[in-house]
Amino acid sequence: KAGVTQTPRYLIKTRGQQVTLSCSPISGHRSVSWYQQTPGQGLQFLFEYFSETQRNKGNFPGRFSGRQFSNSRSEMNVSTLELGDSALYLCASSQGFRETQYFGPGTRLLVL
Amino acid sequence: AQSVTQLDSQVPVFEEAPVELRCNYSSSVSVYLFWYVQYPNQGLQLLLKYLSGSTLVKGINGFEAEFNKSQTSFHLRKPSVHISDTAEYFCAVSDPGDSNYQLIWGAGTKLIIKP
Repeated sequence: KAGVTQTPRYLIKTRGQQVTLSCSPISGHRSVSWYQQTPGQGLQFLFEYFSETQRNKGNFPGRFSGRQFSNSRSEMNVSTLELGDSALYLCASSQGFRETQYFGPGTRLLVL
Repeated sequence: AQSVTQLDSQVPVFEEAPVELRCNYSSSVSVYLFWYVQYPNQGLQLLLKYLSGSTLVKGINGFEAEFNKSQTSFHLRKPSVHISDTAEYFCAVSDPGDSNYQLIWGAGTKLIIKP
């Protein structure tokens, strides 16, 4: 089976812009979670989607949003980018709620 | 609330020597435990997991971990490391009974292999 894929792998944006990141889960997986990884804060949970519904949300401002499509693919959007949003954004998929998560390679976002 | 402590931010070790990466969690309620590895410029890869059953769990790449409920620990071990094991290792815990189930992550331990 193909693993979790994320596009794009690298992205450079300027402050104030918005960005959309995409994640395709492992075939058959219905749950997708998003994480932000930075050197200072480590891995922080953003949100989880299951069957197109947001099940869980971390402690991030409303500028961070996401959605999941009927084929389980997910997107996350960050509006009004700030310098502090520079990070590696990781997507993980699992078969269902409380199942083991498998990660994609991440999208590295640099905000200038 | 559950928390995870990885006691060492970096562990230097000589090639072919044994290594132990430590992980402690805060709550002794029923838990799922995971170790993930992140190679440079890559995502996270699952090394091993404990859900139930035998407390000694074997994973990929020769790693194993032991669940110790009384000490709330889940330390990762490898008897002989290779240069290719250079990576950052993350311990994660979840509570299967939590309605807001999510993984709680440690800060990570960088394994540095000295030739």
